[in-house]
Amino acid sequence: ELKVEQNPLFLSMQEGKNYTIYCNYSTTSDRLYWYRQDPGKSLESLFVLLSNGAVKQEGRLMASLDTKARLSTLHITAAVHDLSATYFCAVPFMYSGGGADGLTFGKGTHLIIQP
Amino acid sequence: NAGVTQTPKFRVLKTGQSMTLLCAQDMNHEYMYWYRQDPGMGLRLIHYSVGEGTTAKGEVPDGYNVSRLKKQNFLLGLESAAPSQTSVYFCASSYGLDRFRAVEYFGPGTRLTVT
Repeated sequence: ELKVEQNPLFLSMQEGKNYTIYCNYSTTSDRLYWYRQDPGKSLESLFVLLSNGAVKQEGRLMASLDTKARLSTLHITAAVHDLSATYFCAVPFMYSGGGADGLTFGKGTHLIIQP
Repeated sequence: NAGVTQTPKFRVLKTGQSMTLLCAQDMNHEYMYWYRQDPGMGLRLIHYSVGEGTTAKGEVPDGYNVSRLKKQNFLLGLESAAPSQTSVYFCASSYGLDRFRAVEYFGPGTRLTVT
């Protein structure tokens, strides 16, 4: 069974500050996904990390993957209010009998950025 | 190009009633998924399909059935609804997570309440 753990689960921070969200997973995987969800909305893909050492950046967000440590980080630089959302990491998992992967999600990090 | 659409958006059922949720995608994706999202639980995979005519169980399949009669549609059925099935249901589709850079695209969600 794959377990995906995020921390923190809740984060309140001020604009202009930096912070990191952590995602640990329990079984071997060379891929990891980050999604964003705004309140009452669907999930939007942010990053796909496809190999050990992968680093992706989009604006004030940067994600990295260390497959040996089974750890991914999502770093927020100089936070702005528009980044307030819930962020999920997800790891592919082969459910038996299906012949393909589905995603196992962390519980999400609810991020509030205050002026 | 509508992406992934879900019908209905909201529904209230009484315990024991049945209903079907419809997911449609126009991206010619082979793989489709049904997830449920509960507060503090992240998203959990219910069932998925790797192609027309195929279905497979995910993490929490009990109490649900699915069918994929057409490539573009994936139906989720509740034969006898229970209050524990109160949740937000998301459909997703992809080319398959084993493919390089494949991403799951999510629909807008269906909010289901069982009383």
